[in-house]
Amino acid sequence: SQQGEEDPQALSIQEGENATMNCSYKTSINNLQWYRQNSGRGLVHLILIRSNEREKHSGRLRVTLDTSKKSSSLLITASRAADTASYFCATDAGETSGSRLTFGEGTQLTVNP
Amino acid sequence: DGGITQSPKYLFRKEGQNVTLSCEQNLNHDAMYWYRQDPGQGLRLIYYSQIVNDFQKGDIAEGYSVSREKKESFPLTVTSAQKNPTAFYLCASARSAEGYEQYFGPGTRLTVT
Repeated sequence: SQQGEEDPQALSIQEGENATMNCSYKTSINNLQWYRQNSGRGLVHLILIRSNEREKHSGRLRVTLDTSKKSSSLLITASRAADTASYFCATDAGETSGSRLTFGEGTQLTVNP
Repeated sequence: DGGITQSPKYLFRKEGQNVTLSCEQNLNHDAMYWYRQDPGQGLRLIYYSQIVNDFQKGDIAEGYSVSREKKESFPLTVTSAQKNPTAFYLCASARSAEGYEQYFGPGTRLTVT
């Protein structure tokens, strides 16, 4: 079952611009995580935000979480061509979901040099 | 050099044959996971294991089997009962099943003809 849904499905921007991706989910969560996947590779963990947190930063990444709206956003500032990848949100609903992650279908980000 | 490895990177099989995909981790993680990814899609959970000698079905377990005899190893067998086995298979591990990020292997692309 798909818990997270990313929006938009695809995003194309110029180098130096900011990229914002959104994720909506249906049930209550313990935490929400963002991952990045380069084409044909495994996923790389970017950031984890817990349900009692509202915002988290890591380098050029900023993640927000609004549990009342059941949504999260990932902002990449000053994007680079190397940021081109698919970005996935994943929700951890804790024991009610068997303590596993449920992934959305991803946003394909293309950063043009 | 700690990490999670999958082998082989590419695998080709004839229809009707069982095939086993390898996943090994030296991160001392308790939890391990198998996902399937189809083109342009998110990840779907096949099986997961929270501890040695124990595993649970994910969302799409039919036609697959796993074992967890050692902490560092979680092999996945794709049986002939799996109707559409051609896909990209990703293995992941986590410190434990609850509240931690997952570390992914590089994936195995299986093609069945």
